[in-house]
Amino acid sequence: GDSVTQMEGPVTLSEEAFLTINCTYTATGYPSLFWYVQYPGEGLQLLLKATKADDKGSNKGFEATYRKETTSFHLEKGSVQVSDSAVYFCALSLNYGGATNKLIFGTGTLLAVQP
Amino acid sequence: DVKVTQSSRYLVKRTGEKVFLECVQDMDHENMFWYRQDPGLGLRLIYFSYDVKMKEKGDIPEGYSVSREKKERFSLILESASTNQTSMYLCASSAPPEYGYTFGSGTRLTVV
Repeated sequence: GDSVTQMEGPVTLSEEAFLTINCTYTATGYPSLFWYVQYPGEGLQLLLKATKADDKGSNKGFEATYRKETTSFHLEKGSVQVSDSAVYFCALSLNYGGATNKLIFGTGTLLAVQP
Repeated sequence: DVKVTQSSRYLVKRTGEKVFLECVQDMDHENMFWYRQDPGLGLRLIYFSYDVKMKEKGDIPEGYSVSREKKERFSLILESASTNQTSMYLCASSAPPEYGYTFGSGTRLTVV
């Protein structure tokens, strides 16, 4: 079935380091792809999205490119800050013939940034 | 901005109780969802609704039911709470064309 696989955490980095969180997907159709972020004690917030192949989503210094050939949507940031410490979820959205799309999540990757 | 409000941040209930978790969104979204979040398992879809009085089962509906009497409100019901329903519950809403979800802050439910 359709699924999302993301790298296991935790990922521990020093401030200003380069971040990559890998995400690959399996889907029967042409999904939209998302990254969500969850700060401690809060719900999920949409970080960025891409709706078709070769689209690049970006927000707050984070970027991810929809790569259909490798079925990937890796999250990157050039210089992380302590405030980026959170759990990051990769997700895909597809319509399964019903009235709405469904969002399928990866298991999340905890990022811890140390000063 | 779209706002999704869950009525309680923390709840403690006893085994066997009937539990209601309430969720309200203020942007006229057609679609609403209930997920539970557990360590190592990510988010799992319990139920969703694409219109008033319409509902569909997600991946783990057992032990739960839902109610959507008004477009803005989507309630999750635990008919007889059990300890294995201790979890973080997240409500979300969405609308076309891209179906990105907006989440509430979550309700952390503990069943004792």
